[in-house]
Amino acid sequence: QLQLQKSGPGLLKPSETLSLTCTVSGGSISSGGYYWGWIRQPPGKGLEWIGSIYYSGSTYYNPSLKSRVTISIDTSSNQFSLNLGSVSAADTAVFYCAGHLGNGAVDYWGQGTLVTVSS
Amino acid sequence: SFVLTQPPSVSVAPGQTAKITCGGNNIESKGVHWYQQKPGQAPVLVLYDDGDRPSGIPERFSGSNSGNTATLTITRVEAGDEADYYCQVWDNTSDHFYVFGPGTKVTVL
Repeated sequence: QLQLQKSGPGLLKPSETLSLTCTVSGGSISSGGYYWGWIRQPPGKGLEWIGSIYYSGSTYYNPSLKSRVTISIDTSSNQFSLNLGSVSAADTAVFYCAGHLGNGAVDYWGQGTLVTVSS
Repeated sequence: SFVLTQPPSVSVAPGQTAKITCGGNNIESKGVHWYQQKPGQAPVLVLYDDGDRPSGIPERFSGSNSGNTATLTITRVEAGDEADYYCQVWDNTSDHFYVFGPGTKVTVL
């Protein structure tokens, strides 16, 4: 059973870059079949897919966020990471890392933690 | 991009059947996934590809997808089913773009 553990700051200032890392345990991030993604949820609102990466390095981004998002993968460390640039208060949300199949069905979720953007 | 619609809320008495709809243009051409999210918790996949259940999900959860509407049906509703439910599809008209519905709050009366 895979487990995903997210790490990163909980508070940023406007215009800063949000950097989050997700460590996968219980299996190899390179085993194939799974995509590794990021999903966010503003307080009291719904889920929004940010983007995903395959172990090969292929990336897929939400078009509405694509200009500010970079997702990378480190197979040697079994980790993948999210960079979201030029954050504003509108980016305040609970961020989840996730493992999903190509059809998007998310089998594995990391713990969600609130990231707040405030001056 | 593909847009999904869901009713904001559904209320159901214990033991009855809840139906949660997810609307989208020709949604029957896409596989629909459903998630249950309880307060303060990460979502849990309850159905994938319209109606398949991951291991551990009760048979009370079932799904269908036809025309412009997909439906999650919960039979013999229990108090523990009270949660937000989200539908999701893969919009393959935009490479690997995954879309979530706005969510439906299910209240058990």
